[in-house]
Amino acid sequence: RKEVEQDPGPFNVPEGATVAFNCTYSNSASQSFFWYRQDCRKEPKLLMSVYSSGNEDGRFTAQLNRASQYISLLIRDSKLSDSATYLCVVISNAGNNRKLIWGLGTSLAVNP
Amino acid sequence: EPEVTQTPSHQVTQMGQEVILRCVPISNHLYFYWYRQILGQKVEFLVSFYNNEISEKSEIFDDQFSVERPDGSNFTLKIRSTKLEDSAMYFCASSEALTVLNTGELFFGEGSRLTVL
Repeated sequence: RKEVEQDPGPFNVPEGATVAFNCTYSNSASQSFFWYRQDCRKEPKLLMSVYSSGNEDGRFTAQLNRASQYISLLIRDSKLSDSATYLCVVISNAGNNRKLIWGLGTSLAVNP
Repeated sequence: EPEVTQTPSHQVTQMGQEVILRCVPISNHLYFYWYRQILGQKVEFLVSFYNNEISEKSEIFDDQFSVERPDGSNFTLKIRSTKLEDSAMYFCASSEALTVLNTGELFFGEGSRLTVL
């Protein structure tokens, strides 16, 4: 099983749709989880952290399911500007170090 | 707003040539990173740097790669003898020492696209 796994998509949705992405992780001791957004040929930027209790930021909701070892990102009322690749990032322990592990990303295209 | 800057934005080089990619991290940040992304593939960790030394490196970061912080502001990635498969976007990132462990927030530069012919 890959350390961090995402459905690469692409997800094609109409404007206004609700879309959800999942990301699974293999290390049950992983401690911190994040969603980054990457626009085409641009650098990744932090979108939101994922807290155990779930968290919401406007149209975006992130949730963590430790039992099943996945995190999710829900986008409501999607906009054209939401079109991007959404990267799942997990901080896991590796011996005495902690490291960021990146998913491949899920591509979203919001269509008019 | 402070930002990470990278130069050059695009470099084309011949196989076997040496390349130096430059980064100026955010001034009060203490952790520095290089990542690469081959077109259409995932973001791959290369190396992290803290307190003037490499703190972690990946399997990709072999003997042909090296990093330096020569003057307290620049953070460079050198590829000694480029191969075709080194063609990728190279991202520099920085973070405050504890931020990355607690909030996961890395600040990325816009990237340097390397094309090896």
